[in-house]
Amino acid sequence: DGGITQSPKYLFRKEGQNVTLSCEQNLNHDAMYWYRQDPGQGLRLIYYSQIVNDFQKGDIAEGYSVSREKKESFPLTVTSAQKNPTAFYLCASSLTGSTEAFFGQGTRLTVV
Amino acid sequence: AQKITQTQPGMFVQEKEAVTLDCTYDTSDPSYGLFWYKQPSSGEMIFLIYQGSYDQQNATEGRYSLNFQKARKSANLVISASQLGDSAMYFCAMREDNTDKLIFGTGTRLQVFP
Repeated sequence: DGGITQSPKYLFRKEGQNVTLSCEQNLNHDAMYWYRQDPGQGLRLIYYSQIVNDFQKGDIAEGYSVSREKKESFPLTVTSAQKNPTAFYLCASSLTGSTEAFFGQGTRLTVV
Repeated sequence: AQKITQTQPGMFVQEKEAVTLDCTYDTSDPSYGLFWYKQPSSGEMIFLIYQGSYDQQNATEGRYSLNFQKARKSANLVISASQLGDSAMYFCAMREDNTDKLIFGTGTRLQVFP
């Protein structure tokens, strides 16, 4: 079945460690997105990518990095520079100009 | 700059009544799309409805309709005949077609009571 997959669902890391969140889609979508959601809050855009080997910063890119080496994959690295990394992270994808963006199930990251 | 505003942190509605969730936006791109998503407590994002900036008619999907007022830059979601299962967070979003940048509002928590 076509879809967008985030893994893992829950992730625990020690403070000061980098961690990479996976996002894979088999929908042949051009655009991919990463969002951060804190409890009771909205989705804030971290990074997005329109095409392979290109990506743009969103509103809260500091402390995060991404790559887009393949159309299907858009991994997000939460670096030790991110002051408050504990949050729910959502990945999304869409066709350029399409009427819907599809979301993964999310990764809940807890840094202790 | 691209911006989405939802001014209602929480709303209550009685079952079977209609409710309107407000959303205003700002953009300099003449071509854009507006979206509404529902997020239940499980965290998944459920797509509800889409409105393109050049669409002449308001979008409708079952019990959901989007009241699109382009001159006022508003895209309110109307849910008719509310059900208990409609209790969730609702997010308005906008994508500028020139950049594909997709941003979300802060959300409205809707609670439906019997």
